[in-house]
Amino acid sequence: DSGVTQTPKHLITATGQRVTLRCSPRSGDLSVYWYQQSLDQGLQFLIQYYNGEERAKGNILERFSAQQFPDLHSELNLSSLELGDSALYFCASSVRAGGPRVETQYFGPGTRLLVL
Amino acid sequence: KNEVEQSPQNLTAQEGEFITINCSYSVGISALHWLQQHPGGGIVSLFMLSSGKKKHGRLIATINIQEKHSSLHITASHPRDSAVYICAVANTGNQFYFGTGTSLTVIP
Repeated sequence: DSGVTQTPKHLITATGQRVTLRCSPRSGDLSVYWYQQSLDQGLQFLIQYYNGEERAKGNILERFSAQQFPDLHSELNLSSLELGDSALYFCASSVRAGGPRVETQYFGPGTRLLVL
Repeated sequence: KNEVEQSPQNLTAQEGEFITINCSYSVGISALHWLQQHPGGGIVSLFMLSSGKKKHGRLIATINIQEKHSSLHITASHPRDSAVYICAVANTGNQFYFGTGTSLTVIP
C-alpha cells in the first residue's frame, strides 16, 4: 500500500459525459501528479500540482482540467468524453519534505475509465 | 519521435538468470525513474536516480548522463520479478516522458 488513494476504482460512462477522478496523496506529500495509461499510447504525463499550484503540464487535453485543494487532495476532471479517453488514470504523490524538486513518486492504484 | 526508448520490449528468462533492461533518452533530464507494473496494474517506483548507481536488494540501476543511457539489472531473477518495467525521465521543466516498457517473464 503506497498510501495514495484514488476513487473511484472503476468508472463506466458514455461519450459526451463528464467525470471527476479523485486522488488523496500520502500524508504530508505536497506534489500530486496525474498520468494516463492507454493501450495504444502507454503512460503519459498529464499534469503536476505542488502545494495547490500547477507546477508542470504534459499532454493534457483542453477537455481535461485538474486542481489541488488546500487539504492537498486533487481532482482530475474529464469532460466531453470520447471513446479514446478510456484508460487507466493514475495519480502519484511525492515531496514529503517540501520543495519543488523531483523525487521518488508513490503511485495510487488507479481509476479505470471506460467510455462507451 | 520517442523521447525514451527501451529495449528489449519482451524478455523471457529462466529463474536465476541475470537480466538487463536498457533505456536511452534524448532530452536533458533532471532525473530518471525505473517503475515496475504488475499484471494487476499497480505501479511501484523502483529507483529514482540522476547520476551513478543505486542498489536495492537484487535490483541495480545505473545511469550514464553523458551517453543518455540507463540500465536496470536484476540478479538471480525469480518468477515474482515477472512484470512490466518502465523507464521514465523528468526533464528540467519537470515534464515526464515514458518508455513503452519491457515485459519480463521469469520461468521457474
